[in-house]
Amino acid sequence: LAKTTQPISMDSYEGQEVNITCSHNNIATNDYITWYQQFPSQGPRFIIQGYKTKVTNEVASLFIPADRKSSTLSLPRVSLSDTAVYYCLVGGQTGANNLFFGTGTRLTVIP
Amino acid sequence: DAGVTQSPTHLIKTRGQQVTLRCSPKSGHDTVSWYQQALGQGPQFIFQYYEEEERQRGNFPDRFSGHQFPNYSSELNVNALLLGDSALYLCASSESGRSYEQYFGPGTRLTVT
Repeated sequence: LAKTTQPISMDSYEGQEVNITCSHNNIATNDYITWYQQFPSQGPRFIIQGYKTKVTNEVASLFIPADRKSSTLSLPRVSLSDTAVYYCLVGGQTGANNLFFGTGTRLTVIP
Repeated sequence: DAGVTQSPTHLIKTRGQQVTLRCSPKSGHDTVSWYQQALGQGPQFIFQYYEEEERQRGNFPDRFSGHQFPNYSSELNVNALLLGDSALYLCASSESGRSYEQYFGPGTRLTVT
């Protein structure tokens, strides 16, 4: 089971780009990298998922280097509503047992 | 299109009692997973149900059991409640084979006194 390491917390001003990096040195060949967002008293919300290189959707971008031992979630021009906990997960496409949430990164956006 | 729904929202039980939590998956989803989230921690996987059977299980004792019905809805049962079972219980649904993309419900806040 590939474990992940993320910063415990980050602060950012509104309008800035935020990059959250996750380390996963023991990632397996068939593991995907997935990021979730969680607001207080709500369930986590899927943000983005990738295997290698770069993935972009309407919410965020995910950068994965060639060795796949880390990944970076990039949130463009954050707003106050982006204040949340962000989880990096590594696991296979099938089987929730592979999804280990860890403690996540608490992002606080400052006005 | 309704997302994942859970009931009840909040629940207070006494140590030693039993509790049943309910979950209805997102339309089109056939797989349901349950998580326990203690305060300040990430969600911990309890088990996953698919085709009315427990497909995978995390590191939780047998006091935690579940069920999935033909309409894909699911129940989580916890027997002999302990104070340490107090947590937010989250249900998540997904399409079979796409467990990495799970849709979570709002959770049930269980308090054991």
